[in-house]
Amino acid sequence: AQKVTQAQTEISVVEKEDVTLDCVYETRDTTYYLFWYKQPPSGELVFLIRRNSFDEQNEISGRYSWNFQKSTSSFNFTITASQVVDSAVYFCALKINRDDKIIFGKGTRLHILP
Amino acid sequence: GAGVSQSPSNKVTEKGKDVELRCDPISGHTALYWYRQRLGQGLEFLIYFQGNSAPDKSGLPSDRFSAERTGESVSTLTIQRTQQEDSAVYLCASSLDGSGGYSYEQYFGPGTRLTVT
Repeated sequence: AQKVTQAQTEISVVEKEDVTLDCVYETRDTTYYLFWYKQPPSGELVFLIRRNSFDEQNEISGRYSWNFQKSTSSFNFTITASQVVDSAVYFCALKINRDDKIIFGKGTRLHILP
Repeated sequence: GAGVSQSPSNKVTEKGKDVELRCDPISGHTALYWYRQRLGQGLEFLIYFQGNSAPDKSGLPSDRFSAERTGESVSTLTIQRTQQEDSAVYLCASSLDGSGGYSYEQYFGPGTRLTVT
């Protein structure tokens, strides 16, 4: 069975600090996809990144970076120099290639304090 | 272009009544998903449509829940005889065709907040 664990339910940091959101996944499939979504207070989920299981390269997009490590089944998300606008709930998700469903973690609520 | 739209944005209904929620996916997106998000919780998969294939209904919590999709466009989620535990935000998402072994990202609508009193 597939599972996504986001152990941090809530994090608070002061603006300009770096923060890492953890995501650990479980699957026996060798082909799968991992996603991160942001859900700001407005409620609408925003796609951030997709990574397939064959691409372990880390990715950086502005202040956002993702560290994919198959050895530890983790796909962690780091925000550098956090800003108040980063305050949101962040979801990590997993989709295996032979299934239609996307399994979401329970989310991490991030508070960036001014 | 236009994103995924959902209507109504808010719905308050009395216990026992039926409700119908609507989703308009992004044009050209053949895959459509419904999720339920209870307050402070993650997303719970309900149902998935892909083109003309039979939908994956494995996430529907009871036979009071059903969904339809007209071709590759509008979808409606119907909840019959609503219960208080059905209160949640119902999210719809669409994506490009995922067949052929590639999984495209989903684009989400703003959701319908359902309150059953």
